[in-house]
Amino acid sequence: KAGVTQTPRYLIKTRGQQVTLSCSPISGHRSVSWYQQTPGQGLQFLFEYFSETQRNKGNFPGRFSGRQFSNSRSEMNVSTLELGDSALYLCASSLGTSTLGEQYFGPGTRLTVT
Amino acid sequence: TQLLEQSPQFLSIQEGENLTVYCNSSSVFSSLQWYRQEPGEGPVLLVTVVTGGEVKKLKRLTFQFGDARKDSSLHITAAQTGDTGLYLCAGAGYSGAGSYQLTFGKGTKLSVIP
Repeated sequence: KAGVTQTPRYLIKTRGQQVTLSCSPISGHRSVSWYQQTPGQGLQFLFEYFSETQRNKGNFPGRFSGRQFSNSRSEMNVSTLELGDSALYLCASSLGTSTLGEQYFGPGTRLTVT
Repeated sequence: TQLLEQSPQFLSIQEGENLTVYCNSSSVFSSLQWYRQEPGEGPVLLVTVVTGGEVKKLKRLTFQFGDARKDSSLHITAAQTGDTGLYLCAGAGYSGAGSYQLTFGKGTKLSVIP
């Protein structure tokens, strides 16, 4: 079974721009969660989507948004990028039968904001 | 806000030694997950513990969930170089803002020296 895939793997953007990251979950998994990982703050939960609906949300500003499609694929968007948004963005999928159950992570997208 | 404190932050040991990593919080969690992350990759789930006092063994790794479901420990017996990596604990539960989240500790970076 193929794992979680994320595209692109690396991205460089300029402050003020916006960015969209993509995630394809493991086949059969209906929940997709997004996380931000930085050296200072560690791994922080952004949001979880299940059946095209945001089921849970972390403590991030409204510049961070996401969506999920009918095939469970998900996208995350960050608008008006700031230098502090530079991070590894990880997507994880799970069966979805229990909220934020066992997470299967992708390799991440490394975003650098200059 | 839920916080998970992991200790130690860094650990460097010789192959064959035993070690314990701790994960502590003042919050109660519905479940606690342990992950291992290697450079350039996403975290990989090791185990999920759900019941207070639960002990799970995975070969040389022993995981324990505290009776009050606020803390957990990971014990590795006879460490091998393949155990090298970043160990993360993550607790599932409601945050102060009322949303259900997965809160990660900042991790323990383990180096096993041959």
